[in-house]
Amino acid sequence: AQSVAQPEDQVNVAEGNPLTVKCTYSVSGNPYLFWYVQYPNRGLQFLLKYITGDNLVKGSYGFEAEFNKSQTSFHLKKPSALVSDSALYFCAVRDYGNNRLAFGKGNQVVVIP
Amino acid sequence: GAGVSQTPSNKVTEKGKYVELRCDPISGHTALYWYRQSLGQGPEFLIYFQGTGAADDSGLPNDRFFAVRPEGSVSTLKIQRTERGDSAVYLCASSLSGQHPEQFFGPGTRLTVL
Repeated sequence: AQSVAQPEDQVNVAEGNPLTVKCTYSVSGNPYLFWYVQYPNRGLQFLLKYITGDNLVKGSYGFEAEFNKSQTSFHLKKPSALVSDSALYFCAVRDYGNNRLAFGKGNQVVVIP
Repeated sequence: GAGVSQTPSNKVTEKGKYVELRCDPISGHTALYWYRQSLGQGPEFLIYFQGTGAADDSGLPNDRFFAVRPEGSVSTLKIQRTERGDSAVYLCASSLSGQHPEQFFGPGTRLTVL
């Protein structure tokens, strides 16, 4: 069964500093990996995905993520955090053999002005 | 509309009642998904439609939950004999097809069972 672990409940970072949100995954085959962001009372917004190819993927709002097969990780990064990046971030994985997304529990990111 | 829409945005019901939640996917998207998000948790998969048929309903928790998509567009999630544990945000998503991995989510319906 596919699963995702997001080990930290909350990530605090000062505005302008680099932001990293960690994610590790488990699948039986080749993974499709995703990051979504959720603002209060809003639906999930797609940030980026890894399907195949270059391990470093770039997404919306200056975010990027690096796929590391040996460590089964897909950490989300942003070089310089903004206060407006404060939100709930979800990592998700889909096994190549099905269409279900398995989500982690989410990480609350707080960017301090 | 440009995105996935869900109605109602909020639903309050009493234990034992029947509820229907509606999802209108992005126009042209043949794949539709339902997820449930409990407080403090990530979304959990319920069911996936490809066209009119349920291609994967392995996430439905029990037989009180049922979903339909009769014309391959709008979908309705139906919950019978609601229980307090059904309280959650129900999210709908769509993708261009089942082969397209990117799923676009609606704002959700917050269901509260008293």
